[in-house]
Amino acid sequence: SQKIEQNSEALNIQEGKTATLTCNYTNYSPAYLQWYRQDPGRGPVFLLLIRENEKEKRKERLKVTFDTTLKQSLFHITASQPADSATYLCALEGETSYDKVIFGPGTSLSVIP
Amino acid sequence: DAGVIQSPRHEVTEMGQEVTLRCKPISGHDYLFWYRQTMMRGLELLIYFNNNVPIDDSGMPEDRFSAKMPNASFSTLKIQPSEPRDSAVYFCASSLRRYKQFFGPGTRLTVL
Repeated sequence: SQKIEQNSEALNIQEGKTATLTCNYTNYSPAYLQWYRQDPGRGPVFLLLIRENEKEKRKERLKVTFDTTLKQSLFHITASQPADSATYLCALEGETSYDKVIFGPGTSLSVIP
Repeated sequence: DAGVIQSPRHEVTEMGQEVTLRCKPISGHDYLFWYRQTMMRGLELLIYFNNNVPIDDSGMPEDRFSAKMPNASFSTLKIQPSEPRDSAVYFCASSLRRYKQFFGPGTRLTVL
């Protein structure tokens, strides 16, 4: 069955460092991979989307890579700040309307001042 | 735009009661999604609509759950009868295409 795994443990990093979050998947060939941020008590917020034919995408301090051979995406936050502390979810999606969107379990990130 | 609106924000009910959750998507969005989130199972897609038509309801856990979208600006998720294991946060999301979804604030459901 389709499966998504993210960093199994919560991630704690020092302010100013680069945070790297991992998303691995099996039994799926996504056309798109997305990253969302979720704060406690709120719904997820869309951050970035990368397509299967793209290797890397950047937005301000965020960078996403997508390796369809390894079936893995890496999500980087450079110059991290305490305000970046949240849970980050990756989501896979196929090409057609009949392909279900699947979310990973999320990784909790804490940026320590 | 006010974003996706969900009501109620919190619902506490007793086992066996009917529960109706409501969602108003962002105007102009063609897709509407219902999700359930728990600590154990994470964020699960229950059902989604495209242009008010249900496309995939394979995530609906059982016949006690039903969803409707009578028009482009309103959707409901109904649980009848409710059970304690239905306790979770239910999110509604909408999007112009299937990706880049905009989530509502969620409804926290507690079934006693």
